[in-house]
Amino acid sequence: EADIYQTPRYLVIGTGKKITLECSQTMGHDKMYWYQQDPGMELHLIHYSYGVNSTEKGDLSSESTVSRIRTEHFPLTLESARPSHTSQYLCASSDPSVDTGELFFGEGSRLTVL
Amino acid sequence: DQQVKQNSPSLSVQEGRISILNCDYTNSMFDYFLWYKKYPAEGPTFLISISSIKDKNEDGRFTVFLNKSAKHLSLHIVPSQPGDSAVYFCAATQGGADGLTFGKGTHLIIQP
Repeated sequence: EADIYQTPRYLVIGTGKKITLECSQTMGHDKMYWYQQDPGMELHLIHYSYGVNSTEKGDLSSESTVSRIRTEHFPLTLESARPSHTSQYLCASSDPSVDTGELFFGEGSRLTVL
Repeated sequence: DQQVKQNSPSLSVQEGRISILNCDYTNSMFDYFLWYKKYPAEGPTFLISISSIKDKNEDGRFTVFLNKSAKHLSLHIVPSQPGDSAVYFCAATQGGADGLTFGKGTHLIIQP
């Protein structure tokens, strides 16, 4: 069973605020990911990491930033939130030794920017 | 340019019958295909996968079929149960690197 946790689950904030979405996993996975998903749309990869001190941008351009100081922790930050950032943000991790590419997802953070 | 396509946004099936969800892809380099299930306000959960060297994989009520020549795969759920009502995402990967490429999902509704 996957052990990956995201906080907060829901966040409603005003434009211009700085927010950090937290993601932690207890499986010791090196690879971690952030996806963004809007209703009726596919999940878009916005950031990923191969391990500590590694961060890469995904297929979808995002104004958010990420950091990976510890293996288990992969927070996502928006310096100045805008209504266009309203979305669901999904954190995931994977075991690089598994060829299938299976991802373990957290429950997601639903962000609403007013 | 979508590499993984799910052309049916929704599908309604009667409880006890077979549900068939379809997925097409364009990238012939994909070597693994996965299906995920997602409830509202929750993260996706893994259902079943298939390697590109196989044409069928079965796990309980779930079977995935792969037709490489047509670049098409399908997920069969038999028998369909009320708890199967969810959004199903088809995903693919090449060498397990850099995450998964997802389709837009199909909303499966199981009617009593």
